Amino acid sequence: RKEVEQDPGPFNVPEGATVAFNCTYSNSASQSFFWYRQDCRKEPKLLMSVYSSGNEDGRFTAQLNRASQYISLLIRDSKLSDSATYLCVVTPYGQNFVFGPGTRLSVLP
Amino acid sequence: DAMVIQNPRYQVTQFGKPVTLSCSQTLNHNVMYWYQQKSSQAPKLLFHYYDKDFNNEADTPDNFQSRRPNTSFCFLDIRSPGLGDAAMYLCATSGGRKNEQFFGPGTRLTVL
Repeated sequence: RKEVEQDPGPFNVPEGATVAFNCTYSNSASQSFFWYRQDCRKEPKLLMSVYSSGNEDGRFTAQLNRASQYISLLIRDSKLSDSATYLCVVTPYGQNFVFGPGTRLSVLP
Repeated sequence: DAMVIQNPRYQVTQFGKPVTLSCSQTLNHNVMYWYQQKSSQAPKLLFHYYDKDFNNEADTPDNFQSRRPNTSFCFLDIRSPGLGDAAMYLCATSGGRKNEQFFGPGTRLTVL
């Protein structure tokens, strides 16, 4: 089993839609959790850290379920500019950041 | 603005000709990382430094070496690039209270 798994995608959604991404991780001792977005041929950029209490930043909501070892990202009212690959990242130990394979999102006009 | 800087942004080398990629940071983070990313794949960690302590991933080929002469700078040396080493090389740092990781813009390596 891979350390971090994500929905395989791609997701093609119309503008204004709500889309949810799922991520699971295998190491129950994992400490920190993040969502990154990566545009084509660019570097990953931190979208948001994920906290146990859940957190929201504008149209983006992240949830963490430690018991199920599951992380989610919800994007409401999706925009064309949200088109990117979304990477789930977990720190299972030390300073290692383990990336999931990513889920590609295309928001269509 | 505090940031992670990589040079060059694009590097072309010949098969077998050594190449060095550089990374610098103004974030004063303890940890620096080198990742390799190929098309449609997630970044793959090559190694990282916690201060001066070097941590090599088990599957990183010997062809890849790294140096960190001080907190701000880190170098990736590819001793004998092969065609399979053509990729985007990403430098990242982590630290601070939230232990978040920040990436440089990457160096795209072409091997002819």
